[in-house]
Amino acid sequence: QVQLVQSGAEVKKPGASVKVSCKASGYTFTTYDINWVRQATGQGLEWLGWMNPYSGDTGYAQKFQGRVALTRDTSISTAYMELSSLTSEDTAVYYCARTVRTTGWFDPWGQGTLVTVSS
Amino acid sequence: QAVLTQPSSLSASPGASASLTCTLRSGINVGTYNIYWFHQKPGSPPQYLLRYKSDSDKQQGSGVPSRFSGSKDASANAGILLISGLQSEDEADYYCMIWHSSTWVFGGGTKLTVL
Repeated sequence: QVQLVQSGAEVKKPGASVKVSCKASGYTFTTYDINWVRQATGQGLEWLGWMNPYSGDTGYAQKFQGRVALTRDTSISTAYMELSSLTSEDTAVYYCARTVRTTGWFDPWGQGTLVTVSS
Repeated sequence: QAVLTQPSSLSASPGASASLTCTLRSGINVGTYNIYWFHQKPGSPPQYLLRYKSDSDKQQGSGVPSRFSGSKDASANAGILLISGLQSEDEADYYCMIWHSSTWVFGGGTKLTVL
Protein backbone atom coordinates (compact mmCIF):
# COMPACT_ATOMS: atom_id res chain seq x y z
CA GLN A 1 0.00 0.00 0.00
CA VAL A 2 1.04 3.60 -0.46
CA GLN A 3 2.97 4.75 2.58
CA LEU A 4 5.16 7.62 3.71
CA VAL A 5 7.42 6.87 6.66
CA GLN A 6 9.18 9.76 8.34
CA SER A 7 12.29 9.87 10.46
CA GLY A 8 12.17 10.00 14.24
CA ALA A 9 11.80 12.83 16.69
CA GLU A 10 14.54 15.44 16.95
CA VAL A 11 15.67 17.81 19.68
CA LYS A 12 17.67 20.80 18.52
CA LYS A 13 19.15 23.90 20.05
CA PRO A 14 18.19 27.37 18.88
CA GLY A 15 20.17 28.36 15.80
CA ALA A 16 20.70 24.79 14.66
CA SER A 17 19.27 23.05 11.62
CA VAL A 18 17.13 19.93 11.34
CA LYS A 19 16.67 17.54 8.43
CA VAL A 20 13.58 15.33 8.33
CA SER A 21 13.25 12.45 5.89
CA CYS A 22 10.13 11.00 4.28
CA LYS A 23 10.50 7.58 2.64
CA ALA A 24 7.87 6.66 0.08
CA SER A 25 6.74 3.17 -0.82
CA GLY A 26 3.94 1.52 -2.75
CA TYR A 27 4.05 3.87 -5.75
CA THR A 28 6.47 5.43 -8.23
CA PHE A 29 8.15 8.16 -6.21
CA THR A 30 8.73 10.51 -9.13
CA THR A 31 5.13 10.65 -10.32
CA TYR A 32 3.71 12.61 -7.39
CA ASP A 33 4.75 15.81 -5.62
CA ILE A 34 5.63 15.92 -1.94
CA ASN A 35 4.31 18.72 0.24
CA TRP A 36 5.44 19.57 3.75
CA VAL A 37 3.14 20.88 6.47
CA ARG A 38 3.76 21.55 10.13
CA GLN A 39 1.58 21.75 13.22
CA ALA A 40 2.53 23.24 16.57
CA THR A 41 0.98 21.58 19.60
CA GLY A 42 -2.71 22.41 19.80
CA GLN A 43 -2.50 24.61 16.72
CA GLY A 44 -3.56 24.42 13.09
CA LEU A 45 -1.78 23.35 9.93
CA GLU A 46 0.88 25.48 8.25
CA TRP A 47 2.28 24.78 4.77
CA LEU A 48 6.05 24.97 4.23
CA GLY A 49 6.57 24.03 0.59
CA TRP A 50 6.33 21.49 -2.23
CA MET A 51 8.75 19.49 -4.33
CA ASN A 52 8.49 17.65 -7.62
CA PRO A 53 10.71 14.58 -7.10
CA TYR A 54 11.07 14.01 -10.84
CA SER A 55 12.45 17.45 -11.74
CA GLY A 56 13.59 18.63 -8.33
CA ASP A 57 11.51 21.78 -8.75
CA THR A 58 10.42 23.35 -5.48
CA GLY A 59 8.15 26.07 -4.14
CA TYR A 60 8.22 27.54 -0.68
CA ALA A 61 5.92 29.52 1.55
CA GLN A 62 7.15 33.09 1.68
CA LYS A 63 7.45 32.87 5.45
CA PHE A 64 10.10 30.14 5.14
CA GLN A 65 11.97 31.38 2.06
CA GLY A 66 15.71 31.16 2.63
CA ARG A 67 15.30 28.99 5.70
CA VAL A 68 13.81 25.79 4.29
CA ALA A 69 15.19 23.46 1.65
CA LEU A 70 13.36 20.52 0.09
CA THR A 71 15.46 17.87 -1.60
CA ARG A 72 15.18 14.23 -2.61
CA ASP A 73 17.11 11.08 -3.35
CA THR A 74 15.22 9.24 -6.06
CA SER A 75 17.43 6.15 -5.71
CA ILE A 76 15.88 5.47 -2.31
CA SER A 77 12.49 7.18 -2.88
CA THR A 78 13.09 9.62 -0.06
CA ALA A 79 12.26 13.29 0.30
CA TYR A 80 13.94 15.61 2.77
CA MET A 81 12.97 18.84 4.51
CA GLU A 82 15.75 20.86 6.07
CA LEU A 83 14.92 23.86 8.23
CA SER A 84 17.70 26.13 9.45
CA SER A 85 18.14 28.89 12.04
CA LEU A 86 15.71 27.16 14.37
CA THR A 87 13.90 29.01 17.14
CA SER A 88 11.42 27.81 19.74
CA GLU A 89 8.66 28.90 17.35
CA ASP A 90 9.70 26.02 15.06
CA THR A 91 8.78 23.42 17.67
CA ALA A 92 6.09 21.41 15.90
CA VAL A 93 5.18 18.13 14.24
CA TYR A 94 6.31 18.15 10.63
CA TYR A 95 4.39 16.13 8.06
CA CYS A 96 5.09 15.14 4.49
CA ALA A 97 2.22 14.34 2.16
CA ARG A 98 2.06 12.77 -1.28
CA THR A 99 0.28 15.10 -3.66
CA VAL A 100 -1.25 14.66 -7.07
CA ARG A 101 0.68 17.16 -9.15
CA THR A 102 -0.70 20.72 -9.20
CA THR A 103 -3.55 19.83 -6.86
CA GLY A 104 -4.25 19.88 -3.14
CA TRP A 105 -4.92 16.17 -3.04
CA PHE A 106 -2.59 15.52 -0.11
CA ASP A 107 -2.94 11.78 0.42
CA PRO A 108 -1.53 9.99 2.24
CA TRP A 109 0.38 11.84 4.91
CA GLY A 110 3.41 10.63 6.79
CA GLN A 111 3.06 9.84 10.46
CA GLY A 112 4.73 13.11 11.45
CA THR A 113 8.06 14.01 13.02
CA LEU A 114 8.21 16.00 16.23
CA VAL A 115 10.93 18.63 16.17
CA THR A 116 11.60 20.26 19.53
CA VAL A 117 13.77 23.35 19.71
CA SER A 118 15.03 24.01 23.19
CA SER A 119 18.13 25.36 24.84
CA GLN B 1 -7.78 39.33 8.27
CA ALA B 2 -7.00 35.68 7.66
CA VAL B 3 -7.39 34.28 4.15
CA LEU B 4 -9.63 31.44 5.42
CA THR B 5 -11.78 31.61 8.54
CA GLN B 6 -13.40 28.61 10.19
CA PRO B 7 -15.48 28.56 13.38
CA SER B 8 -13.36 27.14 16.17
CA SER B 9 -15.94 24.59 17.27
CA LEU B 10 -19.23 22.98 16.36
CA SER B 11 -21.40 20.45 18.15
CA ALA B 12 -24.02 18.17 16.67
CA SER B 13 -25.91 15.04 17.63
CA PRO B 14 -25.38 11.54 16.28
CA GLY B 15 -27.49 10.95 13.19
CA ALA B 16 -27.85 14.67 12.51
CA SER B 17 -26.10 16.71 9.83
CA ALA B 18 -23.28 19.18 10.39
CA SER B 19 -22.36 22.04 8.10
CA LEU B 20 -18.80 23.28 8.51
CA THR B 21 -18.00 26.60 6.91
CA CYS B 22 -14.80 28.02 5.50
CA THR B 23 -15.15 31.73 4.76
CA LEU B 24 -12.81 33.38 2.31
CA ARG B 25 -11.46 36.83 3.01
CA SER B 26 -13.25 39.68 1.33
CA GLY B 27 -11.87 40.21 -2.15
CA ILE B 28 -11.15 36.52 -2.69
CA ASN B 29 -14.03 35.04 -4.66
CA VAL B 30 -14.97 31.55 -3.51
CA GLY B 31 -16.35 30.74 -6.96
CA THR B 32 -12.89 30.62 -8.50
CA TYR B 33 -11.30 28.30 -5.99
CA ASN B 34 -11.02 24.60 -5.38
CA ILE B 35 -11.77 24.08 -1.68
CA TYR B 36 -10.01 21.10 -0.13
CA TRP B 37 -11.12 19.48 3.13
CA PHE B 38 -9.21 17.36 5.60
CA HIS B 39 -9.97 15.95 8.99
CA GLN B 40 -7.62 15.05 11.79
CA LYS B 41 -8.17 12.88 14.83
CA PRO B 42 -6.06 13.28 17.97
CA GLY B 43 -2.59 11.85 17.63
CA SER B 44 -2.96 11.14 13.91
CA PRO B 45 -1.95 12.97 10.76
CA PRO B 46 -4.60 14.77 8.73
CA GLN B 47 -6.59 12.76 6.20
CA TYR B 48 -7.86 14.00 2.87
CA LEU B 49 -11.63 14.12 2.48
CA LEU B 50 -12.57 15.87 -0.75
CA ARG B 51 -12.21 18.72 -3.20
CA TYR B 52 -15.07 20.93 -4.25
CA LYS B 53 -15.20 23.62 -6.88
CA SER B 54 -18.69 23.15 -8.27
CA ASP B 55 -21.29 20.43 -8.58
CA SER B 56 -19.72 19.47 -11.89
CA ASP B 57 -16.14 19.73 -10.68
CA LYS B 58 -15.53 17.89 -7.45
CA GLN B 59 -13.61 14.89 -6.24
CA GLN B 60 -14.09 12.52 -3.32
CA GLY B 61 -11.11 11.06 -1.52
CA SER B 62 -10.46 7.37 -1.78
CA GLY B 63 -12.67 5.50 0.65
CA VAL B 64 -14.36 8.65 1.93
CA PRO B 65 -18.06 7.95 2.54
CA SER B 66 -20.60 9.79 0.41
CA ARG B 67 -22.12 11.31 3.54
CA PHE B 68 -19.21 13.77 3.34
CA SER B 69 -19.92 16.31 0.62
CA GLY B 70 -18.88 19.78 -0.41
CA SER B 71 -20.69 22.86 -1.53
CA LYS B 72 -20.36 26.63 -1.64
CA ASP B 73 -22.41 29.56 -0.43
CA ALA B 74 -21.59 32.37 -2.82
CA SER B 75 -23.56 34.91 -0.81
CA ALA B 76 -21.40 34.19 2.22
CA ASN B 77 -18.24 33.71 0.13
CA ALA B 78 -17.76 30.39 1.86
CA GLY B 79 -16.99 26.78 1.17
CA ILE B 80 -19.01 24.22 3.09
CA LEU B 81 -18.36 20.68 4.20
CA LEU B 82 -21.59 18.86 4.90
CA ILE B 83 -21.53 15.70 6.95
CA SER B 84 -24.79 13.80 7.09
CA GLY B 85 -25.72 10.94 9.40
CA LEU B 86 -23.13 11.99 11.97
CA GLN B 87 -21.32 9.20 13.74
CA SER B 88 -19.18 9.33 16.86
CA GLU B 89 -16.12 8.55 14.69
CA ASP B 90 -16.66 11.86 12.85
CA GLU B 91 -15.51 13.72 15.94
CA ALA B 92 -12.31 15.40 14.77
CA ASP B 93 -10.71 18.65 13.71
CA TYR B 94 -11.66 19.74 10.19
CA TYR B 95 -9.49 21.95 8.01
CA CYS B 96 -10.16 23.66 4.69
CA MET B 97 -7.43 24.67 2.27
CA ILE B 98 -7.02 26.67 -0.93
CA TRP B 99 -4.21 27.59 -3.31
CA HIS B 100 -3.85 31.37 -3.05
CA SER B 101 -0.98 33.59 -4.16
CA SER B 102 1.24 30.58 -4.93
CA THR B 103 0.72 29.23 -1.43
CA TRP B 104 -1.34 26.47 0.11
CA VAL B 105 -3.37 28.20 2.80
CA PHE B 106 -5.20 26.37 5.59
CA GLY B 107 -8.10 27.58 7.63
CA GLY B 108 -7.66 27.56 11.39
CA GLY B 109 -9.75 24.42 11.79
CA THR B 110 -13.08 23.52 13.35
CA LYS B 111 -13.32 21.06 16.21
CA LEU B 112 -16.42 18.97 15.61
CA THR B 113 -17.94 17.35 18.67
CA VAL B 114 -20.56 14.64 18.22
CA LEU B 115 -22.66 14.29 21.36
